[in-house]
Amino acid sequence: EVQLLESGGGLVQPGGSLRLSCAASGFTFSGYAMSWVRQAPGKGLEWVSSISGSGGTIYYADSVKGRFTISRDNSKNTLYLQMNSLRAEDSAVYYCAKDRIREVTAQFQHWGQGTLVTVSS
Amino acid sequence: QSALTQPASVSGSPGQSITISCTGTSSDVGGYNFVSWYQQHPGKAPKLMIYDVTNRPSGVSNRFSGSKSGNTASLTISGLQAEDEADYYCSSYTTSSTLYVFGTGTKVTVL
Repeated sequence: EVQLLESGGGLVQPGGSLRLSCAASGFTFSGYAMSWVRQAPGKGLEWVSSISGSGGTIYYADSVKGRFTISRDNSKNTLYLQMNSLRAEDSAVYYCAKDRIREVTAQFQHWGQGTLVTVSS
Repeated sequence: QSALTQPASVSGSPGQSITISCTGTSSDVGGYNFVSWYQQHPGKAPKLMIYDVTNRPSGVSNRFSGSKSGNTASLTISGLQAEDEADYYCSSYTTSSTLYVFGTGTKVTVL
Protein backbone atom coordinates (compact mmCIF):
# COMPACT_ATOMS: atom_id res chain seq x y z
CA GLU A 1 0.00 0.00 0.00
CA VAL A 2 1.32 3.41 -0.99
CA GLN A 3 1.86 5.70 1.99
CA LEU A 4 3.02 9.31 1.99
CA LEU A 5 3.61 10.96 5.36
CA GLU A 6 4.35 14.68 5.47
CA SER A 7 6.01 16.43 8.39
CA GLY A 8 7.68 19.72 9.23
CA GLY A 9 4.76 22.09 9.10
CA GLY A 10 4.07 24.67 11.77
CA LEU A 11 3.90 28.35 12.64
CA VAL A 12 6.65 30.58 11.24
CA GLN A 13 7.10 34.34 11.07
CA PRO A 14 7.07 36.21 7.75
CA GLY A 15 10.52 36.03 6.19
CA GLY A 16 11.30 32.81 8.00
CA SER A 17 12.13 29.34 6.72
CA LEU A 18 10.70 25.86 7.05
CA ARG A 19 11.62 22.46 5.65
CA LEU A 20 8.91 19.97 4.83
CA SER A 21 9.57 16.24 4.50
CA CYS A 22 7.52 13.46 2.95
CA ALA A 23 8.38 9.88 3.87
CA ALA A 24 7.25 7.43 1.19
CA SER A 25 6.62 3.71 1.42
CA GLY A 26 4.86 0.93 -0.44
CA PHE A 27 6.38 1.60 -3.85
CA THR A 28 9.73 2.01 -5.61
CA PHE A 29 10.34 5.65 -4.72
CA SER A 30 12.93 6.38 -7.42
CA GLY A 31 10.54 5.12 -10.07
CA TYR A 32 8.11 7.99 -9.72
CA ALA A 33 8.09 11.76 -10.00
CA MET A 34 6.94 13.56 -6.86
CA SER A 35 5.34 16.92 -6.24
CA TRP A 36 4.12 19.37 -3.65
CA VAL A 37 0.63 20.82 -3.93
CA ARG A 38 -0.83 23.32 -1.47
CA GLN A 39 -4.29 24.43 -0.42
CA ALA A 40 -4.94 27.60 1.54
CA PRO A 41 -7.76 27.32 4.11
CA GLY A 42 -11.10 27.28 2.31
CA LYS A 43 -9.43 27.72 -1.08
CA GLY A 44 -8.58 25.61 -4.11
CA LEU A 45 -5.56 23.52 -4.99
CA GLU A 46 -2.32 25.09 -6.21
CA TRP A 47 0.57 23.18 -7.76
CA VAL A 48 3.86 24.20 -6.12
CA SER A 49 6.74 22.11 -7.44
CA SER A 50 7.63 18.78 -9.06
CA ILE A 51 10.74 16.63 -9.37
CA SER A 52 11.36 13.63 -11.61
CA GLY A 53 12.19 10.19 -10.26
CA SER A 54 15.91 10.67 -10.81
CA GLY A 55 15.85 14.20 -9.45
CA GLY A 56 17.25 15.51 -12.71
CA THR A 57 14.19 17.52 -13.75
CA ILE A 58 12.63 20.11 -11.48
CA TYR A 59 9.80 22.57 -11.96
CA TYR A 60 8.39 25.40 -9.81
CA ALA A 61 5.28 27.54 -9.84
CA ASP A 62 5.98 31.21 -10.49
CA SER A 63 4.66 32.05 -7.02
CA VAL A 64 7.48 30.16 -5.27
CA LYS A 65 10.32 30.31 -7.79
CA GLY A 66 13.51 31.55 -6.17
CA ARG A 67 12.18 30.97 -2.64
CA PHE A 68 11.37 27.26 -2.48
CA THR A 69 13.62 24.31 -3.31
CA ILE A 70 12.39 20.78 -3.95
CA SER A 71 14.71 17.81 -3.53
CA ARG A 72 14.59 14.08 -2.93
CA ASP A 73 16.78 11.43 -1.34
CA ASN A 74 16.02 8.17 -3.11
CA SER A 75 18.17 6.23 -0.62
CA LYS A 76 15.87 7.42 2.18
CA ASN A 77 12.61 7.35 0.18
CA THR A 78 12.03 10.94 1.20
CA LEU A 79 10.90 14.10 -0.59
CA TYR A 80 11.72 17.56 0.73
CA LEU A 81 10.58 21.14 0.28
CA GLN A 82 12.84 23.88 1.63
CA MET A 83 10.79 27.06 1.99
CA ASN A 84 12.59 30.38 2.50
CA SER A 85 11.42 34.00 2.64
CA LEU A 86 7.97 32.83 3.64
CA ARG A 87 4.99 35.13 3.17
CA ALA A 88 1.51 35.17 4.64
CA GLU A 89 0.14 33.96 1.29
CA ASP A 90 2.22 30.78 1.63
CA SER A 91 -0.02 29.68 4.50
CA ALA A 92 -1.69 26.46 3.45
CA VAL A 93 -1.90 22.73 3.87
CA TYR A 94 0.99 21.29 1.87
CA TYR A 95 0.39 17.90 0.26
CA CYS A 96 3.03 15.52 -0.98
CA ALA A 97 1.81 13.79 -4.14
CA LYS A 98 3.10 10.84 -6.18
CA ASP A 99 2.96 11.03 -9.97
CA ARG A 100 1.80 8.24 -12.23
CA ILE A 101 5.21 7.66 -13.83
CA ARG A 102 8.93 8.45 -13.42
CA GLU A 103 8.75 11.67 -15.42
CA VAL A 104 6.69 14.66 -14.31
CA THR A 105 3.12 14.68 -15.60
CA ALA A 106 1.66 16.37 -12.52
CA GLN A 107 -1.18 13.84 -12.52
CA PHE A 108 -1.17 12.69 -8.94
CA GLN A 109 -2.27 9.15 -8.24
CA HIS A 110 -1.49 9.18 -4.53
CA TRP A 111 -1.54 11.95 -1.93
CA GLY A 112 -0.41 12.34 1.64
CA GLN A 113 -2.69 13.75 4.32
CA GLY A 114 -0.95 17.11 4.30
CA THR A 115 0.94 19.29 6.75
CA LEU A 116 -0.23 22.76 7.76
CA VAL A 117 2.07 25.74 7.32
CA THR A 118 1.02 29.03 8.92
CA VAL A 119 3.00 32.19 8.23
CA SER A 120 2.12 34.85 10.76
CA SER A 121 3.70 37.23 13.21
CA GLN B 1 -1.38 31.96 -15.22
CA SER B 2 -5.01 32.07 -14.13
CA ALA B 3 -6.76 29.02 -12.83
CA LEU B 4 -8.92 27.00 -15.20
CA THR B 5 -12.60 28.00 -14.99
CA GLN B 6 -15.11 25.65 -13.40
CA PRO B 7 -18.69 26.28 -12.26
CA ALA B 8 -18.83 26.99 -8.54
CA SER B 9 -21.52 24.41 -7.94
CA VAL B 10 -23.42 21.63 -9.66
CA SER B 11 -26.24 19.60 -8.17
CA GLY B 12 -28.32 16.59 -9.06
CA SER B 13 -30.64 13.98 -7.61
CA PRO B 14 -29.56 10.42 -6.86
CA GLY B 15 -29.40 8.37 -10.04
CA GLN B 16 -29.09 11.36 -12.33
CA SER B 17 -26.06 12.33 -14.40
CA ILE B 18 -24.20 15.60 -14.02
CA THR B 19 -21.36 17.19 -15.97
CA ILE B 20 -18.69 19.54 -14.67
CA SER B 21 -16.90 21.74 -17.17
CA CYS B 22 -13.31 22.98 -17.06
CA THR B 23 -12.52 25.79 -19.46
CA GLY B 24 -9.03 26.87 -20.39
CA THR B 25 -7.24 27.98 -23.52
CA SER B 26 -5.27 26.50 -26.39
CA SER B 27 -2.17 26.87 -24.18
CA ASP B 28 -3.45 24.34 -21.69
CA VAL B 29 -6.65 22.26 -21.92
CA GLY B 30 -7.09 22.74 -25.65
CA GLY B 31 -3.52 22.06 -26.61
CA TYR B 32 -2.59 19.01 -24.59
CA ASN B 33 -4.12 15.81 -23.25
CA PHE B 34 -2.63 16.16 -19.76
CA VAL B 35 -5.98 16.91 -18.15
CA SER B 36 -6.86 15.26 -14.87
CA TRP B 37 -9.74 15.40 -12.40
CA TYR B 38 -9.69 15.11 -8.60
CA GLN B 39 -12.37 14.50 -5.99
CA GLN B 40 -11.92 15.98 -2.53
CA HIS B 41 -14.14 15.32 0.45
CA PRO B 42 -14.05 17.85 3.34
CA GLY B 43 -10.90 17.54 5.41
CA LYS B 44 -9.47 14.85 3.15
CA ALA B 45 -6.73 14.69 0.55
CA PRO B 46 -7.73 14.81 -3.12
CA LYS B 47 -8.24 11.59 -5.06
CA LEU B 48 -7.37 11.13 -8.73
CA MET B 49 -10.50 10.25 -10.72
CA ILE B 50 -9.43 10.81 -14.34
CA TYR B 51 -6.06 11.31 -16.05
CA ASP B 52 -5.01 12.05 -19.62
CA VAL B 53 -8.51 13.45 -20.30
CA THR B 54 -10.36 10.11 -20.42
CA ASN B 55 -8.51 7.45 -18.42
CA ARG B 56 -9.72 6.09 -15.10
CA PRO B 57 -7.20 4.81 -12.54
CA SER B 58 -7.71 1.33 -11.22
CA GLY B 59 -10.36 1.30 -8.49
CA VAL B 60 -12.28 4.35 -9.68
CA SER B 61 -15.91 3.67 -10.48
CA ASN B 62 -16.87 3.57 -14.15
CA ARG B 63 -19.63 6.03 -13.29
CA PHE B 64 -16.94 8.68 -13.72
CA SER B 65 -15.89 9.61 -17.25
CA GLY B 66 -13.87 12.38 -18.86
CA SER B 67 -13.90 14.07 -22.23
CA LYS B 68 -12.62 17.15 -24.01
CA SER B 69 -13.85 19.43 -26.79
CA GLY B 70 -11.75 22.36 -27.86
CA ASN B 71 -10.58 24.30 -24.82
CA THR B 72 -13.11 22.70 -22.46
CA ALA B 73 -12.71 19.43 -20.59
CA SER B 74 -15.62 17.76 -18.84
CA LEU B 75 -16.19 15.28 -16.04
CA THR B 76 -19.44 13.34 -16.11
CA ILE B 77 -20.77 11.48 -13.11
CA SER B 78 -23.55 9.07 -13.99
CA GLY B 79 -25.87 7.35 -11.54
CA LEU B 80 -25.18 10.05 -8.95
CA GLN B 81 -24.77 8.72 -5.42
CA ALA B 82 -24.67 10.42 -2.02
CA GLU B 83 -20.98 9.58 -1.67
CA ASP B 84 -20.23 11.63 -4.79
CA GLU B 85 -20.96 14.83 -2.87
CA ALA B 86 -17.56 16.55 -2.76
CA ASP B 87 -15.41 19.21 -4.37
CA TYR B 88 -13.99 18.44 -7.81
CA TYR B 89 -10.94 20.01 -9.41
CA CYS B 90 -9.57 19.75 -12.92
CA SER B 91 -5.90 20.21 -13.73
CA SER B 92 -3.86 20.66 -16.88
CA TYR B 93 -0.37 21.14 -18.20
CA THR B 94 0.14 24.66 -19.50
CA THR B 95 2.74 26.35 -21.65
CA SER B 96 2.84 29.31 -19.29
CA SER B 97 5.82 29.67 -16.97
CA THR B 98 3.80 27.94 -14.26
CA LEU B 99 3.68 24.53 -15.87
CA TYR B 100 0.62 23.07 -14.22
CA VAL B 101 -2.63 24.72 -13.25
CA PHE B 102 -5.71 23.62 -11.33
CA GLY B 103 -9.29 24.64 -11.91
CA THR B 104 -11.26 26.87 -9.56
CA GLY B 105 -13.14 23.89 -8.15
CA THR B 106 -16.76 22.74 -8.25
CA LYS B 107 -18.90 21.74 -5.29
CA VAL B 108 -21.17 18.84 -6.20
CA THR B 109 -24.33 18.52 -4.14
CA VAL B 110 -26.54 15.46 -4.19
CA LEU B 111 -30.09 16.62 -3.55
